[in-house]
Amino acid sequence: GEDVEQSLFLSVREGDSSVINCTYTDSSSTYLYWYKQEPGAGLQLLTYIFSNMDMKQDQRLTVLLNKKDKHLSLRIADTQTGDSAIYFCAERAWTGGFKTIFGAGTRLFVKA
Amino acid sequence: GAVVSQHPSWVICKSGTSVKIECRSLDFQATTMFWYRQFPKQSLMLMATSNEGSKATYEQGVEKDKFLINHASLTLSTLTVTSAHPEDSSFYICSASQDLDNEQFFGPGTRLTVL
Repeated sequence: GEDVEQSLFLSVREGDSSVINCTYTDSSSTYLYWYKQEPGAGLQLLTYIFSNMDMKQDQRLTVLLNKKDKHLSLRIADTQTGDSAIYFCAERAWTGGFKTIFGAGTRLFVKA
Repeated sequence: GAVVSQHPSWVICKSGTSVKIECRSLDFQATTMFWYRQFPKQSLMLMATSNEGSKATYEQGVEKDKFLINHASLTLSTLTVTSAHPEDSSFYICSASQDLDNEQFFGPGTRLTVL
């Protein structure tokens, strides 16, 4: 079945770059997403990439997609303490209907 | 971006009672709404997909008689947890989209605690 995996924890120093990695299994994925969740809050869509793209840059965020290896990464440049949150990778795939499958989330901790 | 609200943001109830959670799309018409459940430090688990005016489609393992979903209008869906038990305590998040193929916009979530 469909599966999305992420490392559970990442700690970086303020000002450094953060790279959060994700792997997925469904080759029929159309879109891949990165969401941010702050404590006690819902999910905020950060960015997304269409499956026929290799890279997408949006200000401090860079998404890289290696479709052959089914590997997605999110790079946050100049990480700030306000970036501390849980980051979810998600894929949108057809499984008899479009569904969004979420990873378990990577908890990013930014040290001042 | 589009705004989705949930009410209440948190609720505490006694075991055996029923709790209703509302999900509203504030500035767009949501043909499709999704209900997720999130356990502490875990990912979102899709419970059901609801389309306006029709019955919800439940994911495998989700009891439809326990988690009643109503999507009576293009801006409102409700999730009722019937005869709640402590194991139903969780963070419930809804999302809404204009149609099944469009981006989902997430609500802020409702934290349910059953004593």
